[in-house]
Amino acid sequence: DTEVTQTPKHLVMGMTNKKSLKCEQHMGHRAMYWYKQKAKKPPELMFVYSYEKLSINESVPSRFSPECPNSSLLNLHLHALQPEDSALYLCASSQSPGQVLNEQFFGPGTRLTVL
Amino acid sequence: GIQVEQSPPDLILQEGANSTLRCNFSDSVNNLQWFHQNPWGQLINLFYIPSGTKQNGRLSATTVATERYSLLYISSSQTTDSGVYFCAVASGYDTGTASKLTFGTGTRLQVTL
Repeated sequence: DTEVTQTPKHLVMGMTNKKSLKCEQHMGHRAMYWYKQKAKKPPELMFVYSYEKLSINESVPSRFSPECPNSSLLNLHLHALQPEDSALYLCASSQSPGQVLNEQFFGPGTRLTVL
Repeated sequence: GIQVEQSPPDLILQEGANSTLRCNFSDSVNNLQWFHQNPWGQLINLFYIPSGTKQNGRLSATTVATERYSLLYISSSQTTDSGVYFCAVASGYDTGTASKLTFGTGTRLQVTL
């Protein structure tokens, strides 16, 4: 089953709110990713977790805080966001980072609106 | 970092027509994927094809790694093929760089009746 799930599907939050996005996969993958996609643009990598450890942070502002509690779960904690952070947030997973056949599979995304 | 260019940026087809989408990349790659993003934002895996040729139904893809390009062929297009097609690549062989998928700007396809 090549399925990555994300909750919630939609989220509206104010600039002073704290919220979290959740991502889950049960494919036994050991690499998980967060991407951000603005309207009419391609997805851009934010973070990579490899074996539950943060391995790549693409200079993302500290108001985005990732967390990988176990090999199946990935969270993105949001705090004091700006309206320009409104976007589609995509989670992905792959079998193992840096390996051959490292195909990435994406979840359906969370559409975030910051007021 | 690696650069990825896709062409054409926009494409309008009548149902039943065939099309070819192109992806050029600036460096050698060890991961190349084609995705279809539907109107709801879901990225659907079409092909994992760092080299060679693959076919899946009406779709096929070819990557010529030595010449740094990949082609996606859509035959007998249907309205459900509408959406944005992305090529994404990763280069390098260490854990860090091999995980970094860089997306092209996409081809927006509209299939009409």
